[in-house]
Amino acid sequence: QVQLQQWGAGLLRPSETLSLTCAVYGGSFSDFYWSWIRQPPGKGLEWIGEIIHSGSTNYNPSLMSRVTISVDTSKNQFSLKLNSLTAADTAVYYCARGRMARYWGQGTLVTVSS
Amino acid sequence: DVQMTQSPSTLSASVGDRVVITCRASQSINSWLAWYQQKPGRAPKLLIYQASYLESGVPSRFSGSGSGTEFTLTISSLQPDDFATYHCQQYNTYSYTFGQGTKLEI
Repeated sequence: QVQLQQWGAGLLRPSETLSLTCAVYGGSFSDFYWSWIRQPPGKGLEWIGEIIHSGSTNYNPSLMSRVTISVDTSKNQFSLKLNSLTAADTAVYYCARGRMARYWGQGTLVTVSS
Repeated sequence: DVQMTQSPSTLSASVGDRVVITCRASQSINSWLAWYQQKPGRAPKLLIYQASYLESGVPSRFSGSGSGTEFTLTISSLQPDDFATYHCQQYNTYSYTFGQGTKLEI
């Protein structure tokens, strides 16, 4: 059974950096892309980016200048950093497995407010 | 980016109804389309992948069809547990974009 467990700070101020980590339990870590997806309150889903075990990444062009996704294969974990936060970055952030996401983390509400 | 347009945005229906949700892509995505169900406060759940393949454990009243730019999700006979929001997603071309969602309500 594959499980994704994510954590990170939930309340940040404008201009700060969001940092979230997702740990993967069960299944193969090296056979899949690992994704971050977000959902602003009451709105639709937005794909942020993905990483594979080698460290190769793909990012949403609209966020590319502010996003870094990294991987720690020794711990079966991957992480998201998003800098220069504004209120528009307030959202539930999800980690997920694959390009079509079969498994999801529980979600983390990140609120950006002064 | 490939734009994904879902219709309708909101759908009112009753238990036992057959409902169809449509997703249109701004360019061909072949069959690289997924459908998700999301309930309030929960992560989305994968229902259909590659346009028409039913995810394991998903009831057979759900089905998907289409290719290229036009896709549909059909629920053959609505059950109380099906009232939720449904999202389509293309995973053919970066960045992998979602539709705006369809809220299915009583």
